[in-house]
Amino acid sequence: DIQMSQSPSSLSASVGDGVTITCRASQSISSFLNWYQQKPGKAPKLLISAASSLQSGVPSRLSGSGSGTVFTLTISSLQPEDFATYFCQQSYSTPYTFGQGTKLEIK
Amino acid sequence: EVQVLESGGGLVQPGGSLRLSCAVSGFTFSIYSMSWVRQAPGKGLEWVSGISGSGASTYYADGVKGRFTISRDNSKNTLFLQMSSLRAEDTAIYYCAKSKRIDSSSSGFDYWGQGTLVTVSS
Repeated sequence: DIQMSQSPSSLSASVGDGVTITCRASQSISSFLNWYQQKPGKAPKLLISAASSLQSGVPSRLSGSGSGTVFTLTISSLQPEDFATYFCQQSYSTPYTFGQGTKLEIK
Repeated sequence: EVQVLESGGGLVQPGGSLRLSCAVSGFTFSIYSMSWVRQAPGKGLEWVSGISGSGASTYYADGVKGRFTISRDNSKNTLFLQMSSLRAEDTAIYYCAKSKRIDSSSSGFDYWGQGTLVTVSS
């Protein structure tokens, strides 16, 4: 199975800050990497697919990059609605494993 | 408008069985792969099982293989997860998720239900 690891596990930042979350795969997954946002009590929401393709309706201050084994999710100029938990997921092969999550909290 | 609605969760004793359902609308169900993803209380996301649009191909996480069976009824726009030999570690919210790409899960899951809670406890 492909293992996914995210860093950091938690992050404190202020409104207006820029942040980057990193996701690493245990083997090359090309660009088969997706990012989700989850808020408490809610289902995950797809933000970015194929490493860098922004889902319709997702603000452009979010961006994704990377290929192979290292990927990043960047949020420029954090807004109050961005404080949530973020998960990466590989869709290269089953089982479609997720990272452990990064909790983004308000400083 | 796409809608995804899970049902069938509840409290079950260890070793017991439960069948989850996921009713969908707003898209052509039969051409999209679907998956079940679970989340234990306070934990991360775990993909459990997936099925192709036709139902001909099914996939499972190692931890549920042989105990869970995924299936679908395309005439009723409904996805199922039959769970047996349940264990305490199967306790989680179970989400039904639609693949973004037609008959492929390679671009992630773009629509999710609200989840149904399964609690395995004596």
